[in-house]
Amino acid sequence: DTAVSQTPKYLVTQMGNDKSIKCEQNLGHDTMYWYKQDSKKFLKIMFSYNNKELIINETVPNRFSPKSPDKAHLNLHINSLELGDSAVYFCAALQVWTGELFFGEGSRLTVL
Amino acid sequence: GQQLNQSPQSMFIQEGEDVSMNCTSSSIFNTWLWYKQDPGEGPVLLIALYKAGELTSNGRLTAQFGITRKDSFLNISASIPSDVGIYFCAGPATPVGFSGSRLTFGEGTQLTVNP
Repeated sequence: DTAVSQTPKYLVTQMGNDKSIKCEQNLGHDTMYWYKQDSKKFLKIMFSYNNKELIINETVPNRFSPKSPDKAHLNLHINSLELGDSAVYFCAALQVWTGELFFGEGSRLTVL
Repeated sequence: GQQLNQSPQSMFIQEGEDVSMNCTSSSIFNTWLWYKQDPGEGPVLLIALYKAGELTSNGRLTAQFGITRKDSFLNISASIPSDVGIYFCAGPATPVGFSGSRLTFGEGTQLTVNP
């Protein structure tokens, strides 16, 4: 059983389209994140949710809208996709007492 | 904002060599974490450090939490081909135990091991 699973793993789409990436964790942790990894491999935090509540929004354009239907799921919806949105998006769950983040395998988004 | 400077950015070594990489922070950290990312995968935790001066090993890996609390290093001894990947240091802007923890990552060290 994968602890943090993301779908789809690969996504290729045209500029202007809307797409979603889903994330589910079976670790029972309350806090989940979305990170963006650009072509230089830099990992940048985008959002954090704690038990379905948004707690971190790192100045991400409002075309990006996370949604957390329950504490095990944190989905990312992106409207009006732009070329610069091409990246690998990682979902993660936080083990609060150690500070360790458990990452999903990533979703590679390519905008043409 | 908080910055983590990680060096070197890349390393090309021969199998069997030892490797060292380090991170420095612009502010004091209470925790240092070292992650490894294999190609096509998400980062996976290698070592966690919670106290200044702490030296922790995980197999051939050794990491230390600097006594100034603004730096950490990771050593890999007797490297093997499967050590290839990107190594990240990371630290939270808030104390461990806080659900709003914001983990900041260094820029990563790309390690290549030639057999």
